[in-house]
Amino acid sequence: SQQGEEDPQALSIQEGENATMNCSYKTSINNLQWYRQNSGRGLVHLILIRSNEREKHSGRLRVTLDTSKKSSSLLITASRAADTASYFCATGGTSYGKLTFGQGTILTVHP
Amino acid sequence: DTEVTQTPKHLVMGMTNKKSLKCEQHMGHRAMYWYKQKAKKPPELMFVYSYEKLSINESVPSRFSPECPNSSLLNLHLHALQPEDSALYLCASSEPGRTHYGYTFGSGTRLTVV
Repeated sequence: SQQGEEDPQALSIQEGENATMNCSYKTSINNLQWYRQNSGRGLVHLILIRSNEREKHSGRLRVTLDTSKKSSSLLITASRAADTASYFCATGGTSYGKLTFGQGTILTVHP
Repeated sequence: DTEVTQTPKHLVMGMTNKKSLKCEQHMGHRAMYWYKQKAKKPPELMFVYSYEKLSINESVPSRFSPECPNSSLLNLHLHALQPEDSALYLCASSEPGRTHYGYTFGSGTRLTVV
């Protein structure tokens, strides 16, 4: 089964609103990453949070990690139509290991 | 522009054909990966190469044969595929010790088996 499970599966918002996506995982992790995928093409790495970190910011992105609940959230503030994409959390990836993806959230931002 | 280049972008092949997918990276990364992604699903790991050696094979059928000719190149040889193998095939690379950069993905090859 997939390591990460995400909710919601789909999110539709208006431009300027904030978007929050959640990810849960099952086993211990070294880090958790978030990726964006536009129109079924390649994935773009957004942000990585280590297991000893609780919150991390990058531009309009804010990621939190709660290892006691085995969950993470991605907040995109002041969303734009260009943020429309699928967002995946991913765990693992230590050294040359496996990077396992959650089911993903499809975000649609209406202009 | 992506730093991981995959060719071709689209491929249609018959079930008796032999074809190859190619991936090239110029970032000096020492690990490279093949992922398979079906529509509306997350990418699933197929193979991992580290230092040009196969380190992980996720029980992939033998009709998929990976090859790493050198540290910059990764191929996926395809033979006798089935229609259910139609998917987006993604190549990625990474460098240990710099995990905060994450993995770098190519744009993928969209494969259709007819």
